[in-house]
Amino acid sequence: GAVVSQHPSWVICKSGTSVKIECRSLDFQATTMFWYRQFPKQSLMLMATSNEGSKATYEQGVEKDKFLINHASLTLSTLTVTSAHPEDSSFYICSIYGGRPLSYEQYFGPGTRLTVT
Amino acid sequence: DAKTTQPTSMDCAEGRAANLPCNHSTISGNEYVYWYRQIHSQGPQYIIHGLKNNETNEMASLIITEDRKSSTLILPHATLRDTAVYYCIVATQGGSEKLVFGKGTKLTVNP
Repeated sequence: GAVVSQHPSWVICKSGTSVKIECRSLDFQATTMFWYRQFPKQSLMLMATSNEGSKATYEQGVEKDKFLINHASLTLSTLTVTSAHPEDSSFYICSIYGGRPLSYEQYFGPGTRLTVT
Repeated sequence: DAKTTQPTSMDCAEGRAANLPCNHSTISGNEYVYWYRQIHSQGPQYIIHGLKNNETNEMASLIITEDRKSSTLILPHATLRDTAVYYCIVATQGGSEKLVFGKGTKLTVNP
């Protein structure tokens, strides 16, 4: 399967600051990337879907001005948490889909643990 | 909401087969059954998927009932490293398909 990396793997930031998380597809050109978050002892919740070169589509209840997503290339998507607050502390996971070679499975990154103090 | 129902937890002895059931009684004709697993504090890992025929790969086998309302994931020889939360998800294929994760089954493989 495809190899997906995320950077950083964990980050601690102060309330009010912004944090950028990168998601890279190392061997696969992904036309679509998804961003999920997972709170402790809960399942993954989809935040947004991004297609290369176009604006991201956000799920209901996810603030697009707070969670900025950029999918500038087929191998890189970034999620920026702006003005982070303690309630944004979570495990953020990206996944890739489609593209070349064509794949109908989603491949997930290892996740980024964000702690906002 | 997730369109599947799975037991909350299961136990299995190391070396034995682990059979994880999933109910998806409202599955549509164009929807596939996908299985992913998530080992603690890691991203989910794709295991297998199928439409109506049974499927097998190096990780597992997927048995889908003829009416497609339920399926079973089989890990033929479970190891301690198979301890994880297993998610059964139904989704269409070919588009930018969103995966809706339910609560999954926490499989614990015991020595």
